[in-house]
Amino acid sequence: NAGVTQTPKFRVLKTGQSMTLLCAQDMNHEYMYWYRQDPGMGLRLIHYSVGEGTTAKGEVPDGYNVSRLKKQNFLLGLESAAPSQTSVYFCASSYLTLTEAFFGQGTRLTVV
Amino acid sequence: SQQGEEDPQALSIQEGENATMNCSYKTSINNLQWYRQNSGRGLVHLILIRSNEREKHSGRLRVTLDTSKKSSSLLITASRAADTASYFCATDKGGGSNYKLTFGKGTLLTVNP
Repeated sequence: NAGVTQTPKFRVLKTGQSMTLLCAQDMNHEYMYWYRQDPGMGLRLIHYSVGEGTTAKGEVPDGYNVSRLKKQNFLLGLESAAPSQTSVYFCASSYLTLTEAFFGQGTRLTVV
Repeated sequence: SQQGEEDPQALSIQEGENATMNCSYKTSINNLQWYRQNSGRGLVHLILIRSNEREKHSGRLRVTLDTSKKSSSLLITASRAADTASYFCATDKGGGSNYKLTFGKGTLLTVNP
């Protein structure tokens, strides 16, 4: 049982490049989330999904897009990376509301 | 804006002592959860307390919730060096398509051997 798996674990991008972060969960969870973690800022919610085919904006959605075409996968896209998007990105999932969230190991992204 | 705010930002204690961290939040919630993050790792769930509960225990952890003050505390008793980590409170509110799980900035706990 792998839980929540994020791909890749590390990436360096040049300003203006695009990339997609993949989150996969094998727990049949309905809810999935993308957070970014910056020093002194804690975790901030970027986008989330309450089920297959749905997405919604969180606290800091600008510059990111997401898709949830399959229940087990939640993709986070950066169309034109900026240095301000240098961060550690975490994906999480939960079965329903009122339950704990399970986190991936994180993706460390540097935009130069 | 972030819903939960932990206090203190950093806490350093000796092994065997108790550690208390506090969390305040702004609006009504369904539940409040506490998570731990070891350096460079993902977050791990510790305990969940529902809005109609006042206290909950799990091993060496004790969580209290005061909805009238919109605050919670996490007590770790008889701390160990392995408890060194960042601790986050998370609040969830809403339901269905309006559901959100938001985190505070965390408390960095250092337990010195």
